Amino acid sequence: GAGVSQSPRYKVAKRGQDVALRCDPISGHVSLFWYQQALGQGPEFLTYFQNEAQLDKSGLPSDRFFAERPEGSVSTLKIQRTQQEDSAVYLCASSFGDMGSYEQYFGPGTRLTVT
Amino acid sequence: QQPVQSPQAVILREGEDAVINCSSSKALYSVHWYRQKHGEAPVFLMILLKGGEQKGHEKISASFNEKKQQSSLYLTASQLSYSGTYFCGTGLGGGATNKLIFGTGTLLAVQP
Repeated sequence: GAGVSQSPRYKVAKRGQDVALRCDPISGHVSLFWYQQALGQGPEFLTYFQNEAQLDKSGLPSDRFFAERPEGSVSTLKIQRTQQEDSAVYLCASSFGDMGSYEQYFGPGTRLTVT
Repeated sequence: QQPVQSPQAVILREGEDAVINCSSSKALYSVHWYRQKHGEAPVFLMILLKGGEQKGHEKISASFNEKKQQSSLYLTASQLSYSGTYFCGTGLGGGATNKLIFGTGTLLAVQP
């Protein structure tokens, strides 16, 4: 079966531009997570959805970051007025259940470079 | 709050064993282990839950000491394919948030 897919795989944005990153989770997965990974570091949590409900957005670094999952499947992470410090790999992960006892499956990520 | 992993890096010859440790300052509900190769997504290896349940790949073993808030990943008879960066991800509890806090990472290189 298909895994988690993300698009685009690479994105170059000029400082101040808005970007939208898409995540297609594994079909039927209830939970969806967004993480940010800087070079040489582990993934850092951004936000969590259970179906269409955004239950935790404590990791979003500023109000320029916004995520949605309107129908409980595909999710979009939007970054407004991008800054150089936003350059990172953005990983999406999905999980079958709604408890922390389920493994998370990661997509290939979107590498964002802000120039 | 970020779990600390040790060692930071390890070099092995094929067939040798290694242990990677993950230590948290908070009481844990779950510990997840992932391997990430350069430029690729993290791949799930093992999940250990408070109370003793474990799920994961047959060739991977791990332990979870709830009292000490520590977990260890045991890699035996290493293969070239084991090379990569290993991350532990710690979960504080189910319910409203199932986020993982990832550790500092351990770089493993297996040589022929």
